[in-house]
Amino acid sequence: DAGVIQSPRHEVTEMGQEVTLRCKPISGHNSLFWYRQTMMRGLELLIYFNNNVPIDDSGMPEDRFSAKMPNASFSTLKIQPSEPRDSAVYFCASSFSGTGGEKLFFGSGTQLSVL
Amino acid sequence: KQEVTQIPAALSVPEGENLVLNCSFTDSAIYNLQWFRQDPGKGLTSLLLIQSSQREQTSGRLNASLDKSSGRSTLYIAASQPGDSATYLCAVNDNMLTFGGGTRLMVKP
Repeated sequence: DAGVIQSPRHEVTEMGQEVTLRCKPISGHNSLFWYRQTMMRGLELLIYFNNNVPIDDSGMPEDRFSAKMPNASFSTLKIQPSEPRDSAVYFCASSFSGTGGEKLFFGSGTQLSVL
Repeated sequence: KQEVTQIPAALSVPEGENLVLNCSFTDSAIYNLQWFRQDPGKGLTSLLLIQSSQREQTSGRLNASLDKSSGRSTLYIAASQPGDSATYLCAVNDNMLTFGGGTRLMVKP
């Protein structure tokens, strides 16, 4: 398996623009997580899906952030409009079970810079 | 709210040393705990997963222990190598995965 695949690897955009991050989880995994990592705040869970259904989005910082999982093999995280403080590395991760018990596998991340 | 703390934040050791990384958490009602490794500019790689009913897990030169009642876990690395240089994070699962801030390890040749 190719692991969790994220695109793009890097994204540079201007304030106010829409940004869409993409994730393909490992085939067969039924849980998908979006994390954000910054030096100041470390790793923060934004949202997670179980069987394509959003279970907990309490970590989504504002209404400017939205996430979808239209099917078991694809998810997007959208920021509209983007702001400089959104600059961070965004990770997608997947596992077989959302309530623990299985290892979490991370993608390589998307480095987002909002100018 | 679960809080996870890792001490030390950074560690530098000469090659060959055995070392211990510490992780503490505030709520002991957990399902499991994972240790991850993160290399610069990369994602996280799961090293070891300890279920709440387990005391320890071993993989090669790595050994992770869990004392749920005291809210502590340790990651022991035997005979450290320069290739072990990375940031090590622990994450506690109590239906949400909460990460510690990580320990940045440098193993000098």
